[in-house]
Amino acid sequence: AQSVTQPDIHITVSEGASLELRCNYSYGATPYLFWYVQSPGQGLQLLLKYFSGDTLVQGIKGFEAEFKRSQSSFNLRKPSVHWSDAAEYFCAVGSPDTGRRALTFGSGTRLQVQP
Amino acid sequence: DAGITQSPRHKVTETGTPVTLRCHQTENHRYMYWYRQDPGHGLRLIHYSYGVKDTDKGEVSDGYSVSRSKTEDFLLTLESATSSQTSVYFCAISESPTDTQYFGPGTRLTVL
Repeated sequence: AQSVTQPDIHITVSEGASLELRCNYSYGATPYLFWYVQSPGQGLQLLLKYFSGDTLVQGIKGFEAEFKRSQSSFNLRKPSVHWSDAAEYFCAVGSPDTGRRALTFGSGTRLQVQP
Repeated sequence: DAGITQSPRHKVTETGTPVTLRCHQTENHRYMYWYRQDPGHGLRLIHYSYGVKDTDKGEVSDGYSVSRSKTEDFLLTLESATSSQTSVYFCAISESPTDTQYFGPGTRLTVL
């Protein structure tokens, strides 16, 4: 069964500092990978996704993520964090085979941004 | 933004009462999903639909049923609500099972 681990429940960074949020997955083949962001009281918004091809994926709001097959990871990065980035971030994995038709989500990482 | 609405947005109910949540889409996507979100658990799949009248269970389906009589509507029913079903419920849609899922705004349900 596929699974997703986000090891950091809560991260605090200073505004302007760089950010890396970790995501590790367990799946037998190459999965589809997603990062979503959720602001307080809101639904989930897609930041970026990886299906195939270039392992460095660019997303919205200046975020990027790198797929590393050897480490089963899909970490999210941003070079300079803004106060508006404070939110909860979810990594998710989907499988290419049609037997599994939904996403599996990690438990989320809450990002706090200090002024 | 994908055209997804959920109703109601907030509901407080009592243990043992039936509750129905509605998800409505205007995107004509074939796949629709119901998730629940609880602290420390991320989002967990309750049920999903891959077409009109075609549904299947997710990982936390006990105590929930769903129906889809039209492409645009996906209903989630709690036959007899329990306090453990207090949660935020999200609907999502996608064109295919391997495509991006787009989420609705959520419904906050409190069972007293």
